[in-house]
Amino acid sequence: GESVGLHLPTLSVQEGDNSIINCAYSNSASDYFIWYKQESGKGPQFIIDIRSNMDKRQGQRVTVLLNKTVKHLSLQIAATQPGDSAVYFCADRLLNAGGTSYGKLTFGQGTILTVHP
Amino acid sequence: DGGITQSPKYLFRKEGQNVTLSCEQNLNHDAMYWYRQDPGQGLRLIYYSQIVNDFQKGDIAEGYSVSREKKESFPLTVTSAQKNPTAFYLCASSKGVRGQAISNQPQHFGDGTRLSIL
Repeated sequence: GESVGLHLPTLSVQEGDNSIINCAYSNSASDYFIWYKQESGKGPQFIIDIRSNMDKRQGQRVTVLLNKTVKHLSLQIAATQPGDSAVYFCADRLLNAGGTSYGKLTFGQGTILTVHP
Repeated sequence: DGGITQSPKYLFRKEGQNVTLSCEQNLNHDAMYWYRQDPGQGLRLIYYSQIVNDFQKGDIAEGYSVSREKKESFPLTVTSAQKNPTAFYLCASSKGVRGQAISNQPQHFGDGTRLSIL
């Protein structure tokens, strides 16, 4: 995804609620998708990934859903905690014309998640 | 512990000066990457390297240079030609990415270097 400005989408939730963070990607040839969490002043931390031949994958308290028809990715966080407050990025990887992939990722601009106690 | 180490955490550059950001990994990863992050924006790829002694330009390579003489190290030089160098710079690495039988491996990131202009 391309950056579209200085104001990131924001999501505010109460502690214990479920959170859903959405992401749209632009290229239907993308084959692999990752969600990262970034806390202030730190590097992105891997959360969960999914391949394009899947539509759902679950981790600990997190679920990623992939809808290739509308090129949409979502991250669901169950029982959100204050420690989940961060910026969340999706990233997708594009296959090159030869069908191989060189690991180059395209990142979305991020969503700020704030969890209120 | 295995990981990616970036240094320094904060760096200041004077006008007309080149500065070099360090990135070291002990994960035995073949591929390494440099990204730039500006406030309120996602990460943009500067350079990447799939193997020692090989590197490729990313989306915003102008004003930057890299080297990959060792598998563990991928330093980034911000040259005086980079007119807007103030940003948060992130280094990442991942397992080997060549070939069609590629495994899907996420990139792992260091904790970044914040570069500012004096």
